[in-house]
Amino acid sequence: EPEVTQTPSHQVTQMGQEVILRCVPISNHLYFYWYRQILGQKVEFLVSFYNNEISEKSEIFDDQFSVERPDGSNFTLKIRSTKLEDSAMYFCASSTGGEETQYFGPGTRLLVL
Amino acid sequence: QKEVEQNSGPLSVPEGAIASLNCTYSDRGSQSFFWYRQYSGKSPELIMFIYSNGDKEDGRFTAQLNKASQYVSLLIRDSQPSDSATYLCAVTPYGNNRLAFGKGNQVVVIP
Repeated sequence: EPEVTQTPSHQVTQMGQEVILRCVPISNHLYFYWYRQILGQKVEFLVSFYNNEISEKSEIFDDQFSVERPDGSNFTLKIRSTKLEDSAMYFCASSTGGEETQYFGPGTRLLVL
Repeated sequence: QKEVEQNSGPLSVPEGAIASLNCTYSDRGSQSFFWYRQYSGKSPELIMFIYSNGDKEDGRFTAQLNKASQYVSLLIRDSQPSDSATYLCAVTPYGNNRLAFGKGNQVVVIP
């Protein structure tokens, strides 16, 4: 069964460093998403991406964040200058359509020290 | 007002019993409704989706949607210890393709 994959599974970084989180969505899906979940809190939407551009973003997704689909399979989230409060689990998801079921990857646990 | 609310605390049910979870949402124009299961430290895993008013059954799970009252519920019949997890209600608000999640309800099935 096709699934969303994410790398790395864990990342530890120093405050102020740049990190890139990588995702490979399900191959025939057209919509891609990033969510985050701070420990003990709810899953929060960051950004959605369709047709090679951002279709929607939340208030969390400020200028420190960017997304890219560098090739036909990868979808990346970059945090330019990490802050302590960026420590969270980051989930990538994909779907066939805008209101269709979103399938989540296993997540990347980011710890900013 | 929160977009999606799941207010009840942890739910403990004996093995074999029915677990009942509720969720309300604020955007009356929402079209798509989902229940995800999340084990500790893992990602959300789809249990059910529902788009129309009424009931939808899939194995031991039944989702119920009432758009007039703006609530969605999930019933888990014949609860098993492996059902012990946090259940997340998620809604696609009108005109959006993002998911708005509730904070989740923890279910503990006692053998």
